[in-house]
Amino acid sequence: QQQVKQSPQSLIVQKGGISIINCAYENTAFDYFPWYQQFPGKGPALLIAIRPDVSEKKEGRFTISFNKSAKQFSLHIMDSQPGDSATYFCAASKGQNFVFGPGTRLSVLP
Amino acid sequence: DAGVIQSPRHEVTEMGQEVTLRCKPISGHNSLFWYRQTMMRGLELLIYFNNNVPIDDSGMPEDRFSAKMPNASFSTLKIQPSEPRDSAVYFCASNHDGKGTEAFFGQGTRLTVV
Repeated sequence: QQQVKQSPQSLIVQKGGISIINCAYENTAFDYFPWYQQFPGKGPALLIAIRPDVSEKKEGRFTISFNKSAKQFSLHIMDSQPGDSATYFCAASKGQNFVFGPGTRLSVLP
Repeated sequence: DAGVIQSPRHEVTEMGQEVTLRCKPISGHNSLFWYRQTMMRGLELLIYFNNNVPIDDSGMPEDRFSAKMPNASFSTLKIQPSEPRDSAVYFCASNHDGKGTEAFFGQGTRLTVV
């Protein structure tokens, strides 16, 4: 029930393309769904987050789509840039109980 | 604020030795988390402190691991004795449980046990 599944494991996108990463959770008690971005040698940093009372949240080129009934959420990166190349983690939390997905390594080719 | 500060950034030690990792959370934060990151298992929560008290240590792998938070500005994660399978990147993160839910991560300590 605590598991968060994430796919794909790795993703290669051309510059200007759309990157899509999907996550699924099981525990319906989760009420906060953040995405973290991690560059090599750095700690994860919050990118964008959503709560289940909305179905979509957009911040610049980054959009979270949330499907509460399916218990799924996804990250869309529009106009992907080489600087977006990093590992992306979805997470689900209730209070201070954070559960992270296994991560997606994104490579954006110039 | 300088963010969450971890030391050392890299640690190489021999099997059987004691290893101590250190963390200074962001000032004003009252929650602190220790995570371990490996390719195989991803990010795993080891232990969570709130107001310097350990709340959830169910992720601590075994008795060789121990964590302390003697005050609001310092925490340690100790491994004694260390084993090669402990090789990983260890992250400390902090937040304030009453002011949003984002966890702020340090830059991590890369531990290699040979």
